[in-house]
Amino acid sequence: QKEVEQNSGPLSVPEGAIASLNCTYSDRVSQSFFWYRQYSGKSPELIMSIYSNGDKEDGRFTAQLNKASQYVSLLIRDSQPSDSATYLCASDANSNSGYALNFGKGTSLLVTP
Amino acid sequence: ETGVTQTPRHLVMGMTNKKSLKCEQHLGHNAMYWYKQSAKKPLELMFVYNFKEQTENNSVPSRFSPECPNSSHLFLHLHTLQPEDSALYLCASSQEVVGTTEAFFGQGTRLTVV
Repeated sequence: QKEVEQNSGPLSVPEGAIASLNCTYSDRVSQSFFWYRQYSGKSPELIMSIYSNGDKEDGRFTAQLNKASQYVSLLIRDSQPSDSATYLCASDANSNSGYALNFGKGTSLLVTP
Repeated sequence: ETGVTQTPRHLVMGMTNKKSLKCEQHLGHNAMYWYKQSAKKPLELMFVYNFKEQTENNSVPSRFSPECPNSSHLFLHLHTLQPEDSALYLCASSQEVVGTTEAFFGQGTRLTVV
């Protein structure tokens, strides 16, 4: 069973702090990794994608990938209350179709003013 | 219209009803997906269509029947559902290019089976 694992949280951080969200995956052949943000009652929104080992930065967000450790993380700098949401980690599923995604259960983030 | 749109946004149906969910993507993508999201569970892939051809049926019960008439439209036909089928049904699309599979979701249909 190919799985993506995340701590469900909630992760609580004060406003202005760095939020660190972590994810591990079991399928060694996965090549593509994604972070989605999902507000309560809304659909997932893609915020970061990463395909190579190392860091990828986009504004306040930094995704980190370590394929040897099968580990993906998302850092949110200068966290804002509006960042409070569930963050879903996903990897390519390597299914027959080749292009679907495996999702983790998500980590709930709460940024307190 | 932009992105991926789903209708209806909310649906309440009885176990003997037949209903359909609709999804339309305006992104020029060639792949479309149905996912199910239940409380406390990861998003579950149900069906994949690539260039209108179904390439995956993830062991979904036959009371769920997908239809993809063209690369922009996707339907999910529902028949004799069970209360445990109540969930958020999400449609997504992506452009299938080797090395990247960024998927974009519609707003979802919140389904309640009574």
